[in-house]
Amino acid sequence: GAGVSQSPSNKVTEKGKDVELRCDPISGHTALYWYRQSLGQGLEFLIYFQGNSAPDKSGLPSDRFSAERTGGSVSTLTIQRTQQEDSAVYLCASSLVGGVSYGYTFGSGTRLTVV
Amino acid sequence: KQEVTQIPAALSVPEGENLVLNCSFTDSAIYNLQWFRQDPGKGLTSLLLIQSSQREQTSGRLNASLDKSSGRSTLYIAASQPGDSATYLCAVDGGATNKLIFGTGTLLAVQP
Repeated sequence: GAGVSQSPSNKVTEKGKDVELRCDPISGHTALYWYRQSLGQGLEFLIYFQGNSAPDKSGLPSDRFSAERTGGSVSTLTIQRTQQEDSAVYLCASSLVGGVSYGYTFGSGTRLTVV
Repeated sequence: KQEVTQIPAALSVPEGENLVLNCSFTDSAIYNLQWFRQDPGKGLTSLLLIQSSQREQTSGRLNASLDKSSGRSTLYIAASQPGDSATYLCAVDGGATNKLIFGTGTLLAVQP
């Protein structure tokens, strides 16, 4: 597609429920990133995909968080047993990686509210 | 560990003024530096990308410079407009880490 697409744009969930956030990167972009932005905080790196593998998942805050990418394209970030501190905007970015860095394109994000 | 700092944290200027936003980073081994804009409740919009071999990039009223050796970048906005009001973020791509490290952002308000 023309840009990075994220869905849903907003999600309200009850504490303890599982949620899935989706990211559809720019076609042909091999690198995909998930970031989290909590209220009044900077952007926090969560996980990086190169193709379908995740060589860096060091930013995932707990084992309740997981992510996968299939077909070198769409990625899903899953949060199990959501907690109120998971409330944040979850941003996805993609990049064309191959010798020269072309920069990163971000989606509009998913605003997650855990009540 | 790469750390990125932006100064000032907030800035308010009258319409028409020229202004400079500052970004500093602790590890000069970067592939590139990117400036983003974030409007309230929205995602990030890429403004300018400077490769490590470049000194500056320009787009319209925006000019970004990069001095790798001193670990600094500046974003210059000419003839500011109320529509420029947003949070401006700089981020460095360290290459080996394969992820962007973001600064804390500068909240800009341009008063009509």
